[in-house]
Amino acid sequence: EVQLLESGGGLVQPGGSLRLSCAASGFTFSNYAMSWVRQTPGKGLQWVASISDSGVSSYYPDSVKGRFTISRDNSKNTLYLRMNSLRVDDTAIYYCAKRPGGAVAGAFDSWGQGTLVTVSS
Amino acid sequence: ETVLTQSPGTLSLSPGERATLSCRASQSVSGSYLAWYQHKPGQAPRLLIFGASSRATGIPDRFSGSGSGTDFTLTITRLEPEDFAVYYCQQYGNSPLTFGGGTKVEIK
Repeated sequence: EVQLLESGGGLVQPGGSLRLSCAASGFTFSNYAMSWVRQTPGKGLQWVASISDSGVSSYYPDSVKGRFTISRDNSKNTLYLRMNSLRVDDTAIYYCAKRPGGAVAGAFDSWGQGTLVTVSS
Repeated sequence: ETVLTQSPGTLSLSPGERATLSCRASQSVSGSYLAWYQHKPGQAPRLLIFGASSRATGIPDRFSGSGSGTDFTLTITRLEPEDFAVYYCQQYGNSPLTFGGGTKVEIK
């Protein structure tokens, strides 16, 4: 059974940084592309970042490009999201999600339960 | 970006009834790469439908998806108690990936 367990959320001040982790189990992590998706009260679900199976390719929407960095450690079966220059509107529940193949394509076929990030002074 | 508009915002139905949820895209979704997810509070979202009409692994056949281009539909025949949740559509054919605002299916 696929399991994705996010951690690292918490309260951070505007302009601060945070690193989220997602521990994966139940599948061969290194064979699958992964993503981060967030849920905000105002804007619903929003795609945040994606990374290919090898970690060579990564993609971001304009709203986080240059501030967020997705990475992975296939030896530890762990996905990361480094978030810098955080803003109040980055406040959200952050989910990690698995793609159906190694390329960054396809729907999100498994999700974690999320970790809450609150950006506030 | 491709804006997805879901309607209605809330659907009040009784168990056993049929639910029809709509998702309309601001531009044609490439390859009919449209997915539907079910989300319950405090739980991980669950993939129901991908490619507009293909059921994900383990999804009961009372869930079906249809549509192409800009208009897509999720149909739940005979609502079960566990089906009351929020449903989101998502397109992954155009960049950036986008989600609809959700339809809440609540017990009447």
